[in-house]
Amino acid sequence: DIQVTQSPSSLSASVGDRVSISCRASQSISTYLNWYQQKPGKAPKLLISAASRLQGGVPARFSGSGSGTDFTLTVSSLQPEDFASYHCQQSYELPWTFGQGTKVEMK
Amino acid sequence: QVQLQESGPGLVKPSQTLSLTCTVSGASLNSGGYYVTWIRQHPGKGLEWIGYSYHSGTTYYNPSLKSRATVSLDTSKSQFSLKMNSVTAADTAVYYCARGVAGGDWFDYWGQGTLVTVSS
Repeated sequence: DIQVTQSPSSLSASVGDRVSISCRASQSISTYLNWYQQKPGKAPKLLISAASRLQGGVPARFSGSGSGTDFTLTVSSLQPEDFASYHCQQSYELPWTFGQGTKVEMK
Repeated sequence: QVQLQESGPGLVKPSQTLSLTCTVSGASLNSGGYYVTWIRQHPGKGLEWIGYSYHSGTTYYNPSLKSRATVSLDTSKSQFSLKMNSVTAADTAVYYCARGVAGGDWFDYWGQGTLVTVSS
């Protein structure tokens, strides 16, 4: 299976901060990398597909980049509603696998 | 508006079979461009992909589940079911169904999730 490692596992930030979350795959996955946001008690929500394609309705402060094995989710200016957990998922090869998640907490 | 809703027992005894249903509304999955997938999340943990089923009946499962999972489709009811046999406490989790997009294989719509506890 392709291992997907997210870092950090948690981070503390303030409103207005620029935040970046990393996802590293154990082998090259081209741009088959997707990002989800999950709030407590809720289902994940798709933010970005194919490494950098922002989903409709997702604020432009979210962006994704990377290819191969290294990927980054960036929030350019953190808003109160962005405090949540974020998960990456590789869709290059079955079985699909997720990173362990990153929790973004308020400083 | 595409909606998915999971339903099923919240408590299952060890060694028994977990059975959940995902009802899809607001979209047809006949085209082959989409499929239904099941994902679970152990308490306080990350997401684990379980398996998928296309409307055609094509399925694939995570080998880590050692052939315990089956996803099937009831076309008349637009429902996809998940069955997992020989459950243990390690199968206690929130189970989600989601719509997968063929080709890119990201999951664009999710059910709200249902907690299944395995306990005697």
